[in-house]
Amino acid sequence: AQTVTQSQPEMSVQEAETVTLSCTYDTSESDYYLFWYKQPPSRQMILVIRQEAYKQQNATENRFSVNFQKAAKSFSLKISDSQLGDAAMYFCAYMEYGNKLVFGAGTILRVKS
Amino acid sequence: DGGITQSPKYLFRKEGQNVTLSCEQNLNHDAMYWYRQDPGQGLRLIYYSQIVNDFQKGDIAEGYSVSREKKESFPLTVTSAQKNPTAFYLCASSIEGGASNQPQHFGDGTRLSIL
Repeated sequence: AQTVTQSQPEMSVQEAETVTLSCTYDTSESDYYLFWYKQPPSRQMILVIRQEAYKQQNATENRFSVNFQKAAKSFSLKISDSQLGDAAMYFCAYMEYGNKLVFGAGTILRVKS
Repeated sequence: DGGITQSPKYLFRKEGQNVTLSCEQNLNHDAMYWYRQDPGQGLRLIYYSQIVNDFQKGDIAEGYSVSREKKESFPLTVTSAQKNPTAFYLCASSIEGGASNQPQHFGDGTRLSIL
C-alpha cells in the first residue's frame, strides 16, 4: 500500500519570508497525482496545489509552488511571501487508482508577525 | 453556491447507539468519500462511492456503514460496533471516481463525541 510521510510535525515562518514543507511517498506506480491540502482552524480542507507525476514541470499557484522529485519520491511545498492567513495544518496526499487519497500526518505551520 | 453540506456540525453518541452523519452535495459529482481524522493523524478513508447504488470499503470500514441511494447524498452511520468513534469526520466528492484523478472537494466536517 502507498504511504505518505511528512517528517515535520511543526514549522514556523516569519511573515513575508519563505518556508518549505517536506513530503515523501512510497509507490510502485509510474503515473499518479500528488496534492497539498490546507486545513485552517475552521477544519475545512482546501486544495492548495496539484502535481501530475508524468509532468516534469513543477506546479505553481501564485505564492505556492512544489519541488517534485519523482526519482526520490519527494514532493515539497514552498510558500513564498508568507502571510498570517497561511497559518494552518498542511497535508500532503497521494492519489491512488480509484481516486482514493492517502494522506500524510500533516505539518502545522505557524506564521509569526 | 455549489458545495458539500455536512450535518450536524457536532454530534454526541451514547453507548450502544447508532448515529448517522449527513453529507449532501449539489456539485453533480459522481464520486463521494468519507474520511475520519484523529488528532495528530492525517485523514483515513472509511468508505467511498464512485456511482449511485455502489460503494466500497476504505481502510477503516469496520463499525461503519453507508448507503448511496441518490447521487447527491452519502450518509455515514457509525454503529455501536465502532468502539472508538470520537473523531472528526469529513465528507468529500469529486467529479468522477475511477481513474479520473480529479481533486476532491471537502465539506466542513462533523465532530462526533461519546457521552
